[in-house]
Amino acid sequence: GAGVSQSPSNKVTEKGKDVELRCDPISGHTALYWYRQSLGQGLEFLIYFQGNSAPDKSGLPSDRFSAERTGGSVSTLTIQRTQQEDSAVYLCASSFFVWGANTEAFFGQGTRLTVV
Amino acid sequence: SQQGEEDPQALSIQEGENATMNCSYKTSINNLQWYRQNSGRGLVHLILIRSNEREKHSGRLRVTLDTSKKSSSLLITASRAADTASYFCATDERSTGNQFYFGTGTSLTVIP
Repeated sequence: GAGVSQSPSNKVTEKGKDVELRCDPISGHTALYWYRQSLGQGLEFLIYFQGNSAPDKSGLPSDRFSAERTGGSVSTLTIQRTQQEDSAVYLCASSFFVWGANTEAFFGQGTRLTVV
Repeated sequence: SQQGEEDPQALSIQEGENATMNCSYKTSINNLQWYRQNSGRGLVHLILIRSNEREKHSGRLRVTLDTSKKSSSLLITASRAADTASYFCATDERSTGNQFYFGTGTSLTVIP
């Protein structure tokens, strides 16, 4: 596709349920990022994938959060046993990685997660 | 974490005026980028400046980078109501070239 696609755009779930958020990056982009943004706040880094390297999971807030990237393309962020504090907009972005640095990142429109 | 910090947190100006936002960061970087966000959803890339560059222009945008002070500024000239948005700087760490760290953002309001 032409841009980064995230699904669903909105998700309402009950506390304690598991959710999966999907990200389709721009074709050919080797770097993929997940961020979380609470209302009126900045972006909180969650996880970073770069090519075949081990992902940087240092931003995941707890072991309830996990992510994978299959075939170097689509990524899924899974939140188990959701809590109300997990409510936020989850943003995915992708970029090229050239000469040891990331180029400009392109963002999806995000998934707004509401845990009730 | 190597987070950028934007200053001011909020800025309100009249249409036609210039808006200046600043960003400070903590470590050596490969590049610094500025993004705009409308309505709390996806961010739009505005401009990228590399660590060996000092100034860059793109339309009504002018970005400067001072690596000795670990700071950058974004100037929007002749502002328009449509420029109303949140603006974020993002840096990557030179030693790893990994993920971008975003600042807390500047909320800009341009009054028609």
